[in-house]
Amino acid sequence: QQKVQQSPESLSVPEGGMASLNCTSSDRNFQYFWWYRQHSGEGPKALMSIFSDGDKKEGRFTAHLNKASLHVSLHIRDSQPSDSALYFCAASESTNAYKVIFGKGTHLHVLP
Amino acid sequence: ETAVFQTPNYHVTQVGNEVSFNCKQTLGHDTMYWYKQDSKKLLKIMFSYNNKQLIVNETVPRRFSPQSSDKAHLNLRIKSVEPEDSAVYLCASSPGTYYAEQFFGPGTRLTVL
Repeated sequence: QQKVQQSPESLSVPEGGMASLNCTSSDRNFQYFWWYRQHSGEGPKALMSIFSDGDKKEGRFTAHLNKASLHVSLHIRDSQPSDSALYFCAASESTNAYKVIFGKGTHLHVLP
Repeated sequence: ETAVFQTPNYHVTQVGNEVSFNCKQTLGHDTMYWYKQDSKKLLKIMFSYNNKQLIVNETVPRRFSPQSSDKAHLNLRIKSVEPEDSAVYLCASSPGTYYAEQFFGPGTRLTVL
């Protein structure tokens, strides 16, 4: 079973709208989360990390972590066409920081 | 320019051949990684090196072998490639601190005919 699960697989939002992406870990060893974004033809690029319960805001991006349920979300407000990309949730083990497991990704399409 | 560089960009080869991919980072990081991204965009860690020492070695076929000459370079050799090795191979680096952001290169796309 995939240890890091993402939903939805694909998401379309209008320009200026809010995009909400979800991620859940099925393994309590994975408690340190990252969001990465990958544009076509490029390598993934880190957006933000979240290691503590609650919200973390960076510009238009807000991540939320609930450690009890091992659920993390990413909300993108005022979505732009340039936000169209593949978004990965990634988690690290508490016992091995260098082992990072990526989810299958969410394809975000921002429609002009 | 500080970044993660990978060569070649693309490589097409026949089943059974040996290939090598190069990765260099100029970010001064201590840790480097190899990932495989398949046609469905699934991203899976293969190896991780910290200061030239192997610290993560996921279950990959023995025909894959990483090679690190110094902490700025991490190459990947594949002996006797198979069709299922067709993928994009991504190199990344991160500082030596725990749970640090990883910086990815652009990837090397391998096609095995």
